[in-house]
Amino acid sequence: AQSVTQLGSHVSVSEGALVLLRCNYSSSVPPYLFWYVQYPNQGLQLLLKYTSAATLVKGINGFEAEFKKSETSFHLTKPSAHMSDAAEYFCAATFNNKLVFGAGTILRVKS
Amino acid sequence: NAGVTQTPKFQVLKTGQSMTLQCAQDMNHEYMSWYRQDPGMGLRLIHYSVGAGITDQGEVPNGYNVSRSTTEDFPLRLLSAAPSQTSVYFCASSPHQGRPNNEQFFGPGTRLTVL
Repeated sequence: AQSVTQLGSHVSVSEGALVLLRCNYSSSVPPYLFWYVQYPNQGLQLLLKYTSAATLVKGINGFEAEFKKSETSFHLTKPSAHMSDAAEYFCAATFNNKLVFGAGTILRVKS
Repeated sequence: NAGVTQTPKFQVLKTGQSMTLQCAQDMNHEYMSWYRQDPGMGLRLIHYSVGAGITDQGEVPNGYNVSRSTTEDFPLRLLSAAPSQTSVYFCASSPHQGRPNNEQFFGPGTRLTVL
């Protein structure tokens, strides 16, 4: 079955440390992939998307993600965490024109 | 542009009651969808529409109805509310159907509690 898996429901980093949020997809054909962010009590906002033009995708707020077909992964990174990055992050993929979400990862940033 | 708007923001229902969650977008988007968000489960697709007059079921359609009489509006109806429908509901829209790389734009959500 086509699915999206996010490893780690909670990730905690110190301010200034590297952020790494993991996402893997299950599909025989690489899908279009997205990362969304949700701040408390708000809707979802697009961080970045992979559309096969380039494997390294840069998004807003200093985030980037790398598509690796051999690993069926699309991990999200940011070199230096900021307190304002604390939020829930969702990886999503388009299968049969429907957007399928991972379970989400809550990022906590410690001062 | 207001983007995607949803009303109400909060709602409490009793088991068996019915209600309609409203969703509207002013971006002339063809594609609209409804999701529910539950802790640890991400967002799950309830129903979607690729244009006025066309709707289809998503992953978790039971207990919900939709219609799309105009491009702008996509209401979600709960026929007989159950505690299992306690959730946060998000409406989203996207410019074109048939383009899977299109970003979806999300509304602010409706927090529904069924007692």
